[in-house]
Amino acid sequence: KQEVTQIPAALSVPEGENLVLNCSFTDSAIYNLQWFRQDPGKGLTSLLLIQSSQREQTSGRLNASLDKSSGRSTLYIAASQPGDSATYLCAGASSGGYQKVTFGIGTKLQVIP
Amino acid sequence: NAGVMQNPRHLVRRRGQEARLRCSPMKGHSHVYWYRQLPEEGLKFMVYLQKENIIDESGMPKERFSAEFPKEGPSILRIQQVVRGDSAAYFCASSFSGRPVETQYFGPGTRLLVL
Repeated sequence: KQEVTQIPAALSVPEGENLVLNCSFTDSAIYNLQWFRQDPGKGLTSLLLIQSSQREQTSGRLNASLDKSSGRSTLYIAASQPGDSATYLCAGASSGGYQKVTFGIGTKLQVIP
Repeated sequence: NAGVMQNPRHLVRRRGQEARLRCSPMKGHSHVYWYRQLPEEGLKFMVYLQKENIIDESGMPKERFSAEFPKEGPSILRIQQVVRGDSAAYFCASSFSGRPVETQYFGPGTRLLVL
C-alpha cells in the first residue's frame, strides 16, 4: 500500500529565498508523481507531473525531481514570492489494477514580504 | 476543451438532509474517481467508477454514501442523512481508459458544509 509523506508540514520563508519541499513515498513502483498547489478553500492546481521514466520537470521558477530508487521527490521553488503562499500537495500514482493516486497531507508555505 | 467540472462548488446542508455532488469528466473520459479531503487532512480515495459500473468502492463509507456514473450524464456522489463529520471538500478526477499509466485530471472540488 502506497504511503506518501511530506516534510515539513509548514514552512515560512522571507520573500526571495529559494526553497525545497520534500515528498517521500513507500512504493517505488509508481507511474507518475504530481505536485499540486491548493489555495485556502480552493481546488487543486496541477503544477508539475513527472512520469516514472523521467527524473525532473521544470516550469518557470518550479523544478520537481523524482528519485524512484530512494522513494523521494522534491519541489524546488526559486526566488519565492508572496503569491507562492499556499499548500503544496504531492501525489503518487501506483498500480492496483488501475491507477491509484495517494496524496500526502501537504506542506503549508508562507512567503513573507 | 473543458476540464473536469464539478457542481455545485459550495453546498450547505443541515444535518439529516441529502447531498448530491456532480462530476462531469473531461470529454472522452469514461472513468471517474472520487476523493474526499477532510479538514486538515490529505485527499483520500473513495470510489472508482466506469460508465454504469462501480469498480472499487473500498474507500467509501458503507452507510449513507453511494456513487453512480450512468450511461448518460454526470457521475453523482450521494450522501444521505448528512452529519457534521461529512463536512469536507470532495474532488473528482477522470481518465480516458483507466489504465494504470494514465494520468487522472482533477476537478475544482465541491465544498460541503453541514450545519
